[in-house]
Amino acid sequence: ETAVFQTPNYHVTQVGNEVSFNCKQTLGHDTMYWYKQDSKKLLKIMFSYNNKQLIVNETVPRRFSPQSSDKAHLNLRIKSVEPEDSAVYLCASSARDWGPGAETLYFGSGTRLTVL
Amino acid sequence: GDSVTQMQGQVTLSEDDFLFINCTYSTTWYPTLFWYVQYPGEGPQLLLKVTTANNKGISRGFEATYDKGTTSFHLQKASVQESDSAVYYCVLGDLSSAGNKLTFGIGTRVLVRP
Repeated sequence: ETAVFQTPNYHVTQVGNEVSFNCKQTLGHDTMYWYKQDSKKLLKIMFSYNNKQLIVNETVPRRFSPQSSDKAHLNLRIKSVEPEDSAVYLCASSARDWGPGAETLYFGSGTRLTVL
Repeated sequence: GDSVTQMQGQVTLSEDDFLFINCTYSTTWYPTLFWYVQYPGEGPQLLLKVTTANNKGISRGFEATYDKGTTSFHLQKASVQESDSAVYYCVLGDLSSAGNKLTFGIGTRVLVRP
């Protein structure tokens, strides 16, 4: 049963354009994430937010900016896309960002970006 | 820093074969270990999770045992089905991971032929 919703499923654009991806979770979780999955299926964290506050910001180009209006929503904007941005962007959530052990992530189905 | 080594980029099996995916990890903290599975067109989903308190996880016929001595967390299933075709990730988390930043292995693609 899907509880992390991402839109759009696919997006094709030209180099230099701006794109935005949306993510919403209905699990009541406090923490949300953006991951990038490349063509070899490698997964890398980009950002994480806890209750609308940025807590992890990995080394990503400055053209990437996350936006959170409330703890159930985390969007991703790419200001001027480059060919290397072609990938699947996965949104995830977890109950919290810290506990007695690492928290389980719940992923959406992803947004596939193709930059021509 | 933390690391996960997952060998075998792709494994091809026939139905009812035994599946074994090798995973080792490195961390200076008490680990939480996961196996996630990703089916085509979907995001990864939790398959099983193990902490130091419960060193074995079992789910949907899959099992993995945390071995502190060999720092391993191999995944196995006695008899695979075509529906098990997916990418499997070994994942490490620990209390040093600010913001619950998990470390993913490279993923092992499993193809089960009917």
